[in-house]
Amino acid sequence: GAGVSQSPSNKVTEKGKDVELRCDPISGHTALYWYRQSLGQGLEFLIYFQGNSAPDKSGLPSDRFSAERTGGSVSTLTIQRTQQEDSAVYLCASSFLDSYGYTFGSGTRLTVV
Amino acid sequence: AQSVAQPEDQVNVAEGNPLTVKCTYSVSGNPYLFWYVQYPNRGLQFLLKYITGDNLVKGSYGFEAEFNKSQTSFHLKKPSALVSDSALYFCAVRSMPVYNQGGKLIFGQGTELSVKP
Repeated sequence: GAGVSQSPSNKVTEKGKDVELRCDPISGHTALYWYRQSLGQGLEFLIYFQGNSAPDKSGLPSDRFSAERTGGSVSTLTIQRTQQEDSAVYLCASSFLDSYGYTFGSGTRLTVV
Repeated sequence: AQSVAQPEDQVNVAEGNPLTVKCTYSVSGNPYLFWYVQYPNRGLQFLLKYITGDNLVKGSYGFEAEFNKSQTSFHLKKPSALVSDSALYFCAVRSMPVYNQGGKLIFGQGTELSVKP
């Protein structure tokens, strides 16, 4: 596609429920990144994919967070048993080569009530 | 470990005046440096990057940044600010990528730029 697409754009969920966030990167982009942006804070790295593998998942906050990427394309970030502190904007980005800057999606705003 | 510091949470500038948004970094090896801008309820947009070459980098919307290796800085500048430049600006750094070890960007906390008429 022309840009990085994320869905849903907004998600409100009850505490304890599981959520899935989707990222559709730019076609041909091999690298995919997930970040989290909490209110008033900077961007926190979560996980990096190169193709379908995740060489760096050091930023996942807990074992409630997981992500996968299939076909070298779409990625899903799953948060199990959501907590209120999970409320944030989750941003996905992709890049063609590691030397290039990222292209970001518009993000998914997650609110846990 | 890589890190980025944006020492100012907010910068206020009058329209038509020059603006500077500060950024300093720490990285092992040669840095790749980036500036991104975020408008309200939008994702981040790429402004410019420094990989190698000239220390003065020109980017989108009339912005430029100067790489200063001795001061480990990469300040964002614009000669004449516009009200429409008001947004949140992020500096980011990564070390030279090594295949399969990630090229993740480390972002600063962001600087809110407010340009008043």
